[in-house]
Amino acid sequence: DGGITQSPKYLFRKEGQNVTLSCEQNLNHDAMYWYRQDPGQGLRLIYYSQIVNDFQKGDIAEGYSVSREKKESFPLTVTSAQKNPTAFYLCASTHGTGNSPLHFGNGTRLTVT
Amino acid sequence: DAKTTQPTSMDCAEGRAANLPCNHSTISGNEYVYWYRQIHSQGPQYIIHGLKNNETNEMASLIITEDRKSSTLILPHATLRDTAVYYCIVRVYRDDKIIFGKGTRLHILP
Repeated sequence: DGGITQSPKYLFRKEGQNVTLSCEQNLNHDAMYWYRQDPGQGLRLIYYSQIVNDFQKGDIAEGYSVSREKKESFPLTVTSAQKNPTAFYLCASTHGTGNSPLHFGNGTRLTVT
Repeated sequence: DAKTTQPTSMDCAEGRAANLPCNHSTISGNEYVYWYRQIHSQGPQYIIHGLKNNETNEMASLIITEDRKSSTLILPHATLRDTAVYYCIVRVYRDDKIIFGKGTRLHILP
């Protein structure tokens, strides 16, 4: 079945450590997105990528980094510079053309202590 | 900032139609209206989208006003499983940046 896989579902890290969240899609989608969600809040855009080897900052990119070396993969690194990294992280993808909807993964819940 | 405004929360009795409004007064001619919903601790799920005409699928109906400045998502016979946060967004045909607001928390009452 086609879809988006985020792993792991739960992730625990110590403060000061970088951590990378995985996002893989087999939908042959061109565009991929990372969102952050805090309790009781909506989704905030971190980074997005329309094509391989290219990506743009969203509204809250500080303290995060991404790469897009393959069409199907868009990993997110939460660096030690991110002041409040504990959150629910969601990855999504969509075709770059046409009026196609976003498809979301089931998220990674990151806890930093 | 999000281009849409929605009520923070709504209640609906089980079995009744749930009508969720969305205001997008600054929408441009090439922007689609999309609806998603998110059940607790899961990724958002696509429901429906439209440009000008009203749309219906197996999940819901979307009514867009003639001036396109607002829309309503209709869940015809709400069940307890429809309890979720519903997001309305607008998006151009090939928009890079897809922004979500805070959505509407819908409570279905037994």
